[in-house]
Amino acid sequence: EDQVTQSPEALRLQEGESSSLNCSYTVSGLRGLFWYRQDPGKGPEFLFTLYSAGEEKEKERLKATLTKKESFLHITAPKPEDSATYLCAVQGDSNYQLIWGAGTKLIIKP
Amino acid sequence: DSGVTQTPKHLITATGQRVTLRCSPRSGDLSVYWYQQSLDQGLQFLIQYYNGEERAKGNILERFSAQQFPDLHSELNLSSLELGDSALYFCASSVRGAYEQYFGPGTRLTVT
Repeated sequence: EDQVTQSPEALRLQEGESSSLNCSYTVSGLRGLFWYRQDPGKGPEFLFTLYSAGEEKEKERLKATLTKKESFLHITAPKPEDSATYLCAVQGDSNYQLIWGAGTKLIIKP
Repeated sequence: DSGVTQTPKHLITATGQRVTLRCSPRSGDLSVYWYQQSLDQGLQFLIQYYNGEERAKGNILERFSAQQFPDLHSELNLSSLELGDSALYFCASSVRGAYEQYFGPGTRLTVT
């Protein structure tokens, strides 16, 4: 069964303190792994798509990486405006829909 | 702005009532997805349409139904509403089923 697990559930950092969020997955035939950011009461905002192990993508202070079993979202020198819930989702060969993780709630304190 | 629009933004109704939520996908997107997100909960996939046809079903209750029209907009109908149906309802669209989804701003439904 396709499954996505995100850790930690919540992460509190000081402004400027770099860290990483984890997304572990099991899926038959990975078609894509997706990272989203969600602010409270808003729709998820697409960040990255990763397709194969070894792939990396960057956007401002965020960098996403992918292995055969997990993905990391690295946050470098975060700012308070990076505070949000970060969601990971995968799509495999057996499903048209995305399989979503529960998210990591990131809080950046000034 | 993702390009996906949803109306209304907020909806307050009573138990037992029926409501319709509307979604217009991004220009060129053929797939539409509906999700439910209860307070502090994850995204629950409800249903997907592709070019007017149902493609996949998730945890959608029998009281809920959806359709996608020829102009590709979609409607989610919720009937016999219960207090537990109070949630944010998101619509998302994608070019094809295998691509990233872009989400609308959501409709907040409150059932009293």
